[in-house]
Amino acid sequence: RKEVEQDPGPFNVPEGATVAFNCTYSNSASQSFFWYRQDCRKEPKLLMSVYSSGNEDGRFTAQLNRASQYISLLIRDSKLSDSATYLCVVNHGFNKFYFGSGTKLNVKP
Amino acid sequence: EAQVTQNPRYLITVTGKKLTVTCSQNMNHEYMSWYRQDPGLGLRQIYYSMNVEVTDKGDVPEGYKVSRKEKRNFPLILESPSPNQTSLYFCASGGGKHTYEQYFGPGTRLTVT
Repeated sequence: RKEVEQDPGPFNVPEGATVAFNCTYSNSASQSFFWYRQDCRKEPKLLMSVYSSGNEDGRFTAQLNRASQYISLLIRDSKLSDSATYLCVVNHGFNKFYFGSGTKLNVKP
Repeated sequence: EAQVTQNPRYLITVTGKKLTVTCSQNMNHEYMSWYRQDPGLGLRQIYYSMNVEVTDKGDVPEGYKVSRKEKRNFPLILESPSPNQTSLYFCASGGGKHTYEQYFGPGTRLTVT
């Protein structure tokens, strides 16, 4: 079983739409959680860390559900520039990181 | 400018010819790591380092070596590359207030024939 699983998509949404991605993780001892975005085989860039209480950064909201072992990312008012692949990342402690395969988002005019 | 640099960016080589991919960061981060990215598999961690002279295996360390003699540099060594090591490689560093937030280099696309 994969450590981190994501729906590969693609999610095709119009500009202005709200879109949400989920990511599930298998290890209940996981300690830290992140969302990164990656544009077309370029380097991943940190979007946001995910805190237990949930956190928001502008149009982006991240939530953690430890009981069900998933994290979510909500994007409001989608922009064309949000088109990318979104990577879910989990850390088990001991500084080892596990990446999901990514969810592709296409925002259309 | 805070950054992680990797060299070379593109490399085509032949089976068995030793190669080194360099990685350097200017953010004084303690943590550095190497990943490979393959289609459908996502990024997988090869090796990581918590500090100078401290390295440990990630999920896919076979066929790779690393060293951390200075804080800013973390080279990846392929002693005898094989075609199954053809991949996109990323170096990352992290540290400071949010130790686990990583910043990535631009990637090295390696082809082994």
